[in-house]
Amino acid sequence: SQQGEEDPQALSIQEGENATMNCSYKTSINNLQWYRQNSGRGLVHLILIRSNEREKHSGRLRVTLDTSKKSSSLLITASRAADTASYFCATDRAGNMLTFGGGTRLMVKP
Amino acid sequence: EAGVAQSPRYKIIEKRQSVAFWCNPISGHATLYWYQQILGQGPKLLIQFQNNGVVDDSQLPKDRFSAERLKGVDSTLKIQPAKLEDSAVYLCASSFDLAGGREQFFGPGTRLTVL
Repeated sequence: SQQGEEDPQALSIQEGENATMNCSYKTSINNLQWYRQNSGRGLVHLILIRSNEREKHSGRLRVTLDTSKKSSSLLITASRAADTASYFCATDRAGNMLTFGGGTRLMVKP
Repeated sequence: EAGVAQSPRYKIIEKRQSVAFWCNPISGHATLYWYQQILGQGPKLLIQFQNNGVVDDSQLPKDRFSAERLKGVDSTLKIQPAKLEDSAVYLCASSFDLAGGREQFFGPGTRLTVL
């Protein structure tokens, strides 16, 4: 079963706009990670946020975590065509075993 | 630094045949993972190794799937016999160890088509 569920399933925006993706999960976690997957580079780790953190930044990425609502969001600012990919949240309950959600397919139009 | 290597990249077989996938993790990474990713879904963890021992294989269909990591480095995943529903991309990943929050590095995957 997949613990995380991303919303929306698909998102299409213009270059330069911001993209927000949401993830909900069901059980308590140690940390939550976001990954990107495209045909060129495969599945790549983007950012990790621990259960005791509320917000984290990395370049144009901003991740929030609300453990009371069991939800997380990924914001990509000033999107580029190269950001076109599928984005997955993955929860780690213990031992670095990840449970991935179904993903959000992001299309950034030039 | 060399990444996670997988072979073959593509495989087409008929149902009831056998198939094997190979993975070479990043040098020095003690933890190795096999995932199954069905088209349109996120990856699903099949098995996790720490060195040459199995940490978790609760989602591995053991009646037809097997995996080994005999010397704690390379790993093979086998399906015997294959079913139509096994058509998927099989991803191998590795991490330095299994401490919480370790980044997992993924290989390019093997795309399996079962006819």
